[in-house]
Amino acid sequence: ETGVTQSPTHLIKTRGQQVTLRCSSQSGHNTVSWYQQALGQGPQFIFQYYREEENGRGNFPPRFSGLQFPNYSSELNVNALELDDSALYLCASSLERQGGETQYFGPGTRLLVL
Amino acid sequence: SQQGEEDPQALSIQEGENATMNCSYKTSINNLQWYRQNSGRGLVHLILIRSNEREKHSGRLRVTLDTSKKSSSLLITASRAADTASYFCATESSGGSNYKLTFGKGTLLTVNP
Repeated sequence: ETGVTQSPTHLIKTRGQQVTLRCSSQSGHNTVSWYQQALGQGPQFIFQYYREEENGRGNFPPRFSGLQFPNYSSELNVNALELDDSALYLCASSLERQGGETQYFGPGTRLLVL
Repeated sequence: SQQGEEDPQALSIQEGENATMNCSYKTSINNLQWYRQNSGRGLVHLILIRSNEREKHSGRLRVTLDTSKKSSSLLITASRAADTASYFCATESSGGSNYKLTFGKGTLLTVNP
């Protein structure tokens, strides 16, 4: 166990709806990254937050947004859900925003969009 | 986009045998990391090798890195049924401040008892 928790574990939504996924970082970690993993693929970087500010973004549209709170927990929000948003969403926390830091992954939230 | 490409996509071996997985990448990197994933759940960090290192060991794991060929290999010795999982290489690239990881598509390893 990494100490990173995510909720919910599974979620079913319909196209056009909005969803919020939550992540609780490992104690003391101030950096969180979110990844999307489609079936049979490797994780794709969505964005990273460092001390409550976005610190880099991957190739995802603006309807993917996030928040990091003062206690370093975070949220991933996806608006106007599309069928292709069906995936496993992983968050990962690290102790600091620096190279070579180990990222500790949560168990993921599996989202199905119908 | 995927940075690393693992080879083979799937590997099936008997318990006790060694398993070797390869990873190729495209751009310059700070380091390369290997992760393990059981049944589509969270990823577990296995080992990190920096761009100025050539080989690293951790228990039954041996990782090599050849930056001239932009490739890495992960060797698991004396495999066990519990090693059955998907294995991903991930590169952390030079430049920028977000230190994101770019993953390959993974190798599915099956260790038969």
